[in-house]
Amino acid sequence: DAGVIQSPRHEVTEMGQEVTLRCKPISGHDYLFWYRQTMMRGLELLIYFNNNVPIDDSGMPEDRFSAKMPNASFSTLKIQPSEPRDSAVYFCASKYGRGPDTQYFGPGTRLTVL
Amino acid sequence: GQNIDQPTEMTATEGAIVQINCTYQTSGFNGLFWYQQHAGEAPTFLSYNVLDGLEEKGRFSSFLSRSKGYSYLLLKELQMKDSASYLCAVRASGGSYIPTFGRGTSLIVHP
Repeated sequence: DAGVIQSPRHEVTEMGQEVTLRCKPISGHDYLFWYRQTMMRGLELLIYFNNNVPIDDSGMPEDRFSAKMPNASFSTLKIQPSEPRDSAVYFCASKYGRGPDTQYFGPGTRLTVL
Repeated sequence: GQNIDQPTEMTATEGAIVQINCTYQTSGFNGLFWYQQHAGEAPTFLSYNVLDGLEEKGRFSSFLSRSKGYSYLLLKELQMKDSASYLCAVRASGGSYIPTFGRGTSLIVHP
């Protein structure tokens, strides 16, 4: 299995620009998670989906952030407009089932907003 | 809400044993995970405890005490490649069952 795939791996943009991060979960997994990791705050859950439906978006910092999952094999996290404080590593993870099965993380996207 | 506490950084010597502690306060409890994260990489699963006691898996062991809200990860025969961040994550009962991550402990193994 290819694992969770994220793109791009690195993104450098200027403040005010729109940023779109992409994720392909492991085939057959029905949960998908978006996390943000910074030195100050650690690994934070932003939003998660179950069967393509957003279940909990309480971690999304503000309206500038939005996430979609149009089908079982693709999700996007969009930031518009981006700000320097959005600079972080964004991870996508997927898992199967509601049980304690582990989440599998993608390699992450390192976002730098200048 | 949930509160998860881990030491920020630890150092140890190659070949030694190190114990990384995690304390938590949650509204209900439904399991605790340990993940390893090398610099610049994604977290990878190490262990999962839901019952009290010690779970051993090769050089790594994880212990849980639910009554004390306490867990530790024990790493034996340390190797240089064990230098990484170790994340404790707790799954609360009820609601989403989604684990909440601590901020991680950065372990530095030196020769």
